[in-house]
Amino acid sequence: ETGVTQTPRHLVMGMTNKKSLKCEQHLGHNAMYWYKQSAKKPLELMFVYSLEERVENNSVPSRFSPECPNSSHLFLHLHTLQPEDSALYLCASSQDWRNDQPQHFGDGTRLSIL
Amino acid sequence: GEDVEQSLFLSVREGDSSVINCTYTDSSSTYLYWYKQEPGAGLQLLTYIFSNMDMKQDQRLTVLLNKKDKHLSLRIADTQTGDSAIYFCAENRTGRRALTFGSGTRLQVQP
Repeated sequence: ETGVTQTPRHLVMGMTNKKSLKCEQHLGHNAMYWYKQSAKKPLELMFVYSLEERVENNSVPSRFSPECPNSSHLFLHLHTLQPEDSALYLCASSQDWRNDQPQHFGDGTRLSIL
Repeated sequence: GEDVEQSLFLSVREGDSSVINCTYTDSSSTYLYWYKQEPGAGLQLLTYIFSNMDMKQDQRLTVLLNKKDKHLSLRIADTQTGDSAIYFCAENRTGRRALTFGSGTRLQVQP
């Protein structure tokens, strides 16, 4: 139990579907992150939120739309995805967005695009 | 180089020591981290070391840091089958808002 919970654990969707990934942290942290983990590639940072404000968007296509309604919840809204978007999507949180704070990860959502 | 570099694979026998190596890029990184990822799970923070330290020991884990060479290593003593996983090193690179991760080293422990 890491204190960061992601749902669903697995998601299969067609390219025209719309779905959302959810992340919730119970650690009292102020910063939250979305990462993409593809086979044989380094972990890719997608978005960083600090106190519900997006502080980094790492050149992510607009078919990925993050939302942070409060400091405990983070969503990733998906629409019109491509097969290359199939990956493990990891959420993380840290005390704040300064990068000297350790990040705590959820178990991820395994996304498969048909 | 721009990447945090790790070897891809390491195989050891149960009971032996494992040493996983990492070369990072930013000499001004203040913290360096080791994470473990088991199959089907996220990244679990194992340990981290502050850059003014040479060594940190935590039970079976020993982290060694060579700042001059920007080299980090993780030694696991008495390696067990439950230690089989992918191990990631990470640095807090100056000017970046999040950690920068290596590609991971897959540790296979044979009975």
